[in-house]
Amino acid sequence: AQSVTQPDIHITVSEGASLELRCNYSYGATPYLFWYVQSPGQGLQLLLKYFSGDTLVQGIKGFEAEFKRSQSSFNLRKPSVHWSDAAEYFCAVGGYNNAGNMLTFGGGTRLMVKP
Amino acid sequence: EAGVAQSPRYKIIEKRQSVAFWCNPISGHATLYWYQQILGQGPKLLIQFQNNGVVDDSQLPKDRFSAERLKGVDSTLKIQPAKLEDSAVYLCASRYTGTGTSGPHNEQFFGPGTRLTVL
Repeated sequence: AQSVTQPDIHITVSEGASLELRCNYSYGATPYLFWYVQSPGQGLQLLLKYFSGDTLVQGIKGFEAEFKRSQSSFNLRKPSVHWSDAAEYFCAVGGYNNAGNMLTFGGGTRLMVKP
Repeated sequence: EAGVAQSPRYKIIEKRQSVAFWCNPISGHATLYWYQQILGQGPKLLIQFQNNGVVDDSQLPKDRFSAERLKGVDSTLKIQPAKLEDSAVYLCASRYTGTGTSGPHNEQFFGPGTRLTVL
């Protein structure tokens, strides 16, 4: 069975500082990996996804993530955080159920940004 | 392009009452998902439809939860009777399934969710 672990429940960074959110996955085959962001009262918005090719993936809002198969990780990074980045971030692994597509989410990391 | 619509946005009920949520997916999206997101946790898949058929409801508590998508477009999720532990945000998502787009890497688009509080 597939699973995702986000070890950090809360992270606080200063505005302008760099950010890295950790994600570790467990999946028996080639993983399809996603990062979503959820602002208060909003649905989930896709930041970026990886399914093949270059292991460094660029996303929206200046985010990037690096797939490391040897470490079963897909960490999210941003070089300079803005106050508007404060939100909850979810890593997910995509796999197949009997319907052909399903997402398994991690527990999320809540990002707080200090002025 | 209009996104996934959900209503109501908020609902407060007492335990043992019934409640229903509505979802309208993005036009042309054949696959529809309902997720339950308990506070402090990631979303958990409850049920998945392909057009008007259920293709995965293995994590749906069928003794109290039901869902339908009669015409392959809108969907409703019902809880009857509700329990305290059903307090959560219920998210609807949809995905386009067409030629050249199969596979779990294709994006699911999420609605804003319905926040349910059971007292």
